[in-house]
Amino acid sequence: QVQLVQSGAEVKKPGASVKISCKTSGYIFTTYILHWVRQAPGQRLEWMGWMNGVTGGITYSQKFQGRVTLTRDTSASTAYMELNSLRSEDTAVYFCTRTGEFGDYYFAFWGQGTLVTVSS
Amino acid sequence: EILLTQSPATLSLSPGERATLSCRVSQSVGRFLAWYQQKPGQAPRLLIYDTFYRATDIPARFSGSVSGTVFTLSISSVEPEDCAIYYCQQRKDWPLTFGRGTRLEIK
Repeated sequence: QVQLVQSGAEVKKPGASVKISCKTSGYIFTTYILHWVRQAPGQRLEWMGWMNGVTGGITYSQKFQGRVTLTRDTSASTAYMELNSLRSEDTAVYFCTRTGEFGDYYFAFWGQGTLVTVSS
Repeated sequence: EILLTQSPATLSLSPGERATLSCRVSQSVGRFLAWYQQKPGQAPRLLIYDTFYRATDIPARFSGSVSGTVFTLSISSVEPEDCAIYYCQQRKDWPLTFGRGTRLEIK
């Protein structure tokens, strides 16, 4: 079955960077789009960007453009999201999520989430 | 960006009652709207996509509809396990956006 397993919780200081991994299994890694979505405490879900599984092409939300980098290791079926210049408002649970047969921009499968806490 | 406004913020119902959750969009999204269910400590779960269609293994008591710019998620007869927060999401335009959610409480 499809599984997305994310790396563990992180605590970072303001100005630092964080890199989260999303190891996938149960499907061919390069055939589906992977998105990243975050959820700050008490806030709505927020879409950050996506990577095309076939081409490796990337689209970032304008809000995060310049601060976020999506990469992947196809040999390890793993995707990565790095967020730089962290501030307290970046404290959130970060999810990787995969599309499915319902279209490229709905989120059918989710990782368990990675809590990132930004605190001095 | 397209703003999604959900109402009510909280809905409290007894088992067996009908739930009606609304999502108003700030501009047309066509039929490109989905609903998710999120329980505490879990990732969201896709319930409905393209306004009307149930995702895999979603019970038939969940249904979606639209009237103008207001999309509706209905649960015909709520069960205790439906206690969760429900979010709508549009895929018509970038950035993809979500509503703030409706919390469904079961008495």
